Amino acid sequence: GENVEQHPSTLSVQEGDSAVIKCTYSDSASNYFPWYKQELGKRPQLIIDIRSNVGEKKDQRIAVTLNKTAKHFSLHITETQPEDSAVYFCAASDGGATNKLIFGTGTLLAVQP
Amino acid sequence: NAGVTQTPKFQVLKTGQSMTLQCAQDMNHNSMYWYRQDPGMGLRLIYYSASEGTTDKGEVPNGYNVSRLNKREFSLRLESAAPSQTSVYFCASRAGGWNEQFFGPGTRLTVL
Repeated sequence: GENVEQHPSTLSVQEGDSAVIKCTYSDSASNYFPWYKQELGKRPQLIIDIRSNVGEKKDQRIAVTLNKTAKHFSLHITETQPEDSAVYFCAASDGGATNKLIFGTGTLLAVQP
Repeated sequence: NAGVTQTPKFQVLKTGQSMTLQCAQDMNHNSMYWYRQDPGMGLRLIYYSASEGTTDKGEVPNGYNVSRLNKREFSLRLESAAPSQTSVYFCASRAGGWNEQFFGPGTRLTVL
């Protein structure tokens, strides 16, 4: 089955710096890659996603890149702000009948003011 | 729209007790999921229901059972709770394909 690895597990940056979180997946059939943000004590919420037919997607300060050949994808946050502090999860899905999302183990991002 | 709702929010059980976690969604989604979240382990899939009338095991199904009662409701049952099942449980639903998966607010379960 699918296995998703995520690095780093913790990341501390200064406000205004960029943050990059990387994930690798094992199943070449996976074709949908969402990123979720989870604030302390809250539920995970989708912040951006990318499909396998796209190499890059951007939404304001957040971007995701996908390299299908290498089976890895990354989240980029520019001009970080204290409210970006949270746990970020990547996930992968084959988009098939099961519609399963397999998640990485999460990255705790701390943005220091 | 309430989205995905879960009950209860908190629960404390003694080892060996049983309980059912309830989940409902009002978005007419086909697929529903149960995850557990433990520190450093991310979100691990327990069981899922790709469509009404079907259920399948996820990554960590041992000690759990599920029921897809109808399109809206998907319950998770612990028949004989163990301390290893202390966790935060999230229910989620999804329309399918490349659509967003929505999570409920979670149930914090402690087994003593």
